[in-house]
Amino acid sequence: NAGVTQTPKFRILKIGQSMTLQCTQDMNHNYMYWYRQDPGMGLKLIYYSVGAGITDKGEVPNGYNVSRSTTEDFPLRLELAAPSQTSVYFCASTPPGTRLYNEQFFGPGTRLTVL
Amino acid sequence: SQKIEQNSEALNIQEGKTATLTCNYTNYSPAYLQWYRQDPGRGPVFLLLIRENEKEKRKERLKVTFDTTLKQSLFHITASQPADSATYLCALGGAGGFKTIFGAGTRLFVKA
Repeated sequence: NAGVTQTPKFRILKIGQSMTLQCTQDMNHNYMYWYRQDPGMGLKLIYYSVGAGITDKGEVPNGYNVSRSTTEDFPLRLELAAPSQTSVYFCASTPPGTRLYNEQFFGPGTRLTVL
Repeated sequence: SQKIEQNSEALNIQEGKTATLTCNYTNYSPAYLQWYRQDPGRGPVFLLLIRENEKEKRKERLKVTFDTTLKQSLFHITASQPADSATYLCALGGAGGFKTIFGAGTRLFVKA
């Protein structure tokens, strides 16, 4: 298993541009999450999904959108990039057996800079 | 609001000693508490879970304690090695919920 994979690893955007951060997992996990991590801060939950076709907002959803058309993929969309969205973005998933206590497997992250 | 505090100052210890990291929380009654390891430029890796009704959990050289009265968890690495150098994140949440709250982490440096 490749686990949780994310692309791209790095990206620089101009203000107002759009992009999609890709996340794929091959472990057949139903639950998937998007976080952002800013320096000196804890991971903040942006969106999560409990299965294909079902998504919900986390703590900091403004400026982002998600979709979940398959179990494997959970892309995060930035429509109008702003400097405040400069961050490292992590995708994560949870195995069904550990669902009650939310043990998470994380991807390697995407470092995004908005100038 | 719910808050998790981890020591923002890096912890420097000598190889072979026991490293002890602290996680304090307020305004929350979590069902579980987790510890993750994060290396530079990588995603967090799950290490240990301790439930609210457990006082202590061990895994190889790792030991976690959970005091719900003090609202504190201690994370110990015994016989520390330079390879243990990383940032360690504390996280907590409610059972069956989807929203785990993460601390900012404590950086550990183990000198040979």
